[in-house]
Amino acid sequence: AQKVTQAQTEISVVEKEDVTLDCVYETRDTTYYLFWYKQPPSGELVFLIRRNSFDEQNEISGRYSWNFQKSTSSFNFTITASQVVDSAVYFCALSEPDRGSTLGRLYFGRGTQLTVWP
Amino acid sequence: DTEVTQTPKHLVMGMTNKKSLKCEQHMGHRAMYWYKQKAKKPPELMFVYSYEKLSINESVPSRFSPECPNSSLLNLHLHALQPEDSALYLCASSQGELYSYEQYFGPGTRLTVT
Repeated sequence: AQKVTQAQTEISVVEKEDVTLDCVYETRDTTYYLFWYKQPPSGELVFLIRRNSFDEQNEISGRYSWNFQKSTSSFNFTITASQVVDSAVYFCALSEPDRGSTLGRLYFGRGTQLTVWP
Repeated sequence: DTEVTQTPKHLVMGMTNKKSLKCEQHMGHRAMYWYKQKAKKPPELMFVYSYEKLSINESVPSRFSPECPNSSLLNLHLHALQPEDSALYLCASSQGELYSYEQYFGPGTRLTVT
């Protein structure tokens, strides 16, 4: 079963529009971590944010904001006033204890390709 | 400085060649990872090293052989690869192997097997 679902495969917006990327996760653990990564065409995955399961406060960093809701198992990502440089594939990922140990293992969603047109 | 470097950026190799991918980090991280990523797919974990010891091998074929000479370096030795092994190979590192740590990725090596 997919642990992280990113239902939006591709999104296109015009510059300055706001856009929200959805992420729904599935886990039986009470302690887990959620992440967002950005992968521009160059290929490198860029770490954006980490959120632990006990912290449901929303977070804002410049034009980026994240909404974590345990009740719906969602960790959505909003880009305000999008720019062409935001064009990339965005991955949501879940990290939970691996088979009773504390080993780190990232479960990635399939990614959302965001294209921002000028 | 959150930088992971990888060499080479691009590699083309025949099925009978032997080559190596290299990864380096100077962040003092104690865990290092190899991932394989095919086009339009998420990265797939191959290996995890923690404190220079192999802690996870995701049933990767033996034609891929990882090596961790020291805490800053991670190699992936390639031998007798198949065309389906063509992919982007990403290296990552984290403070430790705990699931709470974020991973920092390098720019990857684009491998083409002919």
